Amino acid sequence: QVQLQESGPGLVKPSQTLSLTCTVSGGSISSGSHYWNWIRQPAGKGLEWIGRIHPIGTTKYNPSLQSRVTIGMDTAKNQFALRLSSVTAADTAVYYCAGGRDSGDYDWFDPWGQGSLVTVSS
Amino acid sequence: DIQMTQSPSSLSASVGDRVTITCRASQTISKYLNWYQQKPGKAPKLLIYGASRLQSGIPSRFSGSGSGTDFTLTINNLQPEDFATYHCQQSYSSRYSFGQGTRLEIK
Repeated sequence: QVQLQESGPGLVKPSQTLSLTCTVSGGSISSGSHYWNWIRQPAGKGLEWIGRIHPIGTTKYNPSLQSRVTIGMDTAKNQFALRLSSVTAADTAVYYCAGGRDSGDYDWFDPWGQGSLVTVSS
Repeated sequence: DIQMTQSPSSLSASVGDRVTITCRASQTISKYLNWYQQKPGKAPKLLIYGASRLQSGIPSRFSGSGSGTDFTLTINNLQPEDFATYHCQQSYSSRYSFGQGTRLEIK
């Protein structure tokens, strides 16, 4: 059973780059069983999809964040990573990594990591 | 981008009740609609995908319906563990988007 775990700094200064890593266990990140997503949730608010990376390396991003986001994979470490540049207080949120599944007809997010709170503050 | 709007934003109900949560898409999304349950401090959990398909391990008191732009999540015979926030999410466009969430509270 695939499990995900986020890691990274909990505090980032304004204008700097937020970096998080998601470690995948119970399966290979390059197997093709999942594609890999980042999703965030500001306190008390709804969920916002940030972007995804397919096992072959192709990426797709939320247009509202595209200019600041990069998602990459490290197959040797079975990890994928998020980089969000030029952060502001508005980027303070719990960041989740999630596996995307595709039945051929429909797709959804499952499983999810436990979430990592990132606060942007000086 | 496709906007997802849930209603109500919150509701109160009692154990044993039946509740319905609505999700509306800003354009047609066929049946590309998923529902998640989220408890405080926890990650969302998939309940339903493809508008009406129950994820493995989810109790049958949860059901989903709808197509096009209007969808519903129904919970029959509410149990104490069902009090949580529910999110809808469209997967019609690969620029995925979520509703703002519906908080289900104990009356």
